Amino acid sequence: KAGVTQTPRYLIKTRGQQVTLSCSPISGHRSVSWYQQTPGQGLQFLFEYFSETQRNKGNFPGRFSGRQFSNSRSEMNVSTLELGDSALYLCASSLGGTTLQETQYFGPGTRLLVL
Amino acid sequence: KNEVEQSPQNLTAQEGEFITINCSYSVGISALHWLQQHPGGGIVSLFMLSSGKKKHGRLIATINIQEKHSSLHITASHPRDSAVYICAVKRGTSNYQLIWGAGTKLIIKP
Repeated sequence: KAGVTQTPRYLIKTRGQQVTLSCSPISGHRSVSWYQQTPGQGLQFLFEYFSETQRNKGNFPGRFSGRQFSNSRSEMNVSTLELGDSALYLCASSLGGTTLQETQYFGPGTRLLVL
Repeated sequence: KNEVEQSPQNLTAQEGEFITINCSYSVGISALHWLQQHPGGGIVSLFMLSSGKKKHGRLIATINIQEKHSSLHITASHPRDSAVYICAVKRGTSNYQLIWGAGTKLIIKP
């Protein structure tokens, strides 16, 4: 079974631009979660989608948004990029029965650099 | 004080040694995760615990809900176990928080 895939793997943007990241979960998984990882803040939860609906959200500004499609693929969008948005963005999928009460499988991440 | 504390921050050991990484938390939780992050960023979820003990291969995770403490043990450690091990706790149900520890960097020398 193929694992979680994320595209692109690397991205360079400038301040003020917007970016869209994509995540394809493991086949059969219906939950997709997004995380931001930075050296200073560690791993921070962004949001979780299940059956095309945002089920949970972390403490990030509205510039960070996401969506999930009927095939469970998910996209994350960051608008008006700031330097501090430079980070590794990780996506994780799970079967989706109960949030976090099951194993989450992480993708390799998208490394975003904002200049 | 952080709500999730891991110790030690760094750990270097010889191949074959028994490894223990600790996680203490100060909030009520519904579940605790142990994850492994290898150089390069890939993260693997190792265990999800809400009580008791779980074992997978050479890895054992325990949790004591009353003492708000969890441990991750590695038996017969191997250089390929070198990674950052992260403890994360789930707090709440809807609009939950996922609170992460800072991680323990483990190096196993051959």
